[in-house]
Amino acid sequence: DAGVIQSPRHEVTEMGQEVTLRCKPISGHDYLFWYRQTMMRGLELLIYFNNNVPIDDSGMPEDRFSAKMPNASFSTLKIQPSEPRDSAVYFCASSSGSNQPQHFGDGTRLSIL
Amino acid sequence: SQQGEEDPQALSIQEGENATMNCSYKTSINNLQWYRQNSGRGLVHLILIRSNEREKHSGRLRVTLDTSKKSSSLLITASRAADTASYFCATPHDMRFGAGTRLTVKP
Repeated sequence: DAGVIQSPRHEVTEMGQEVTLRCKPISGHDYLFWYRQTMMRGLELLIYFNNNVPIDDSGMPEDRFSAKMPNASFSTLKIQPSEPRDSAVYFCASSSGSNQPQHFGDGTRLSIL
Repeated sequence: SQQGEEDPQALSIQEGENATMNCSYKTSINNLQWYRQNSGRGLVHLILIRSNEREKHSGRLRVTLDTSKKSSSLLITASRAADTASYFCATPHDMRFGAGTRLTVKP
């Protein structure tokens, strides 16, 4: 079975540009999570969805960040405009229930110049 | 705020030795989960222990849970160089992770 698929794996762009990260969860999983990982702040939960509905977005840093889940098989995390401090590895994860283990993608390494 | 906090932050041992990592959490839980992260990769789920369990084994992994102390430990026996990774605990309450324990196993 395919795991969680994230794209792109690497993204380098200049500050001020719009960045869109994509995630395809495991089929049948109805929870989807977005995380950001940096050396300074560790692994931070940004937002999570249940049945395509955002449940907790309290970790989203600011209005420049937005996330959508238009259907059960696709989610996006958008940063507009991007800033150098947004540089990090962004992970998507999915699970089959609120108490079930999460399955992580391999992340998108984002560098904002 | 983070639910799971791991201790120590870093641990360096020789191959063949045992490694013990600890986790503390704040609220009541349904279960507690341990994950491993190899460099440059996503987290991988290792083992889940339910709140009514005190100990669980999976291969060379042994997890204990003490709900009265709100703590858990992960023991890796007969460690290998391939066990070098960061280890995290998490609870389903809010699925926030701590800083992890960075384990280095020297050949």
